[in-house]
Amino acid sequence: EDQVTQSPEALRLQEGESSSLNCSYTVSGLRGLFWYRQDPGKGPEFLFTLYSAGEEKEKERLKATLTKKESFLHITAPKPEDSATYLCAAQGTGAGSYQLTFGKGTKLSVIP
Amino acid sequence: DAGVTQSPTHLIKTRGQHVTLRCSPISGHKSVSWYQQVLGQGPQFIFQYYEKEERGRGNFPDRFSARQFPNYSSELNVNALLLGDSALYLCASSLEGANYGYTFGSGTRLTVV
Repeated sequence: EDQVTQSPEALRLQEGESSSLNCSYTVSGLRGLFWYRQDPGKGPEFLFTLYSAGEEKEKERLKATLTKKESFLHITAPKPEDSATYLCAAQGTGAGSYQLTFGKGTKLSVIP
Repeated sequence: DAGVTQSPTHLIKTRGQHVTLRCSPISGHKSVSWYQQVLGQGPQFIFQYYEKEERGRGNFPDRFSARQFPNYSSELNVNALLLGDSALYLCASSLEGANYGYTFGSGTRLTVV
């Protein structure tokens, strides 16, 4: 059974204080590792897809990296508008290859 | 360009009732997936449809059903509602069933009282 675990559950940062969010995954063959941002009461907003170990993608203050067992979302010099819940999801190549398995998310709060 | 649209945005139902939620995918997207997100949890997969055929089903009871129409829009139906069905129901569309990223709608907030 595919599993995704995110840590920490919540993270409180001062504006400008860089940090990383962790996503550990177990899937039978990785088709893709997805990062989404979700604001309260809204649907998840797509950020990145990573496909193979060693791959990195960047967007503004966010950088996602992938290893064979983990993915990290690095946030550089965050601003208050980066406050949101960040969701990680894995898509395997096995029986459940048409579904995304999500973690519970990391709730990020950036304090001015 | 219109994104994934879901209706209604909010809904309050009584235990035992039936509910139908609707989703229109991004133009050109033939795949639609449904997810349930309970407060404080990540989304959980319910169904995926591609070209009107069910491609995958998550671990949900038979009270949950769905279908996809020729224009690729989709409906999620839930019968005999329970209090535990209260959640944000999300629809996601993609270009093809398994190889592309998924774009989510804003969801339907269902409250069962």
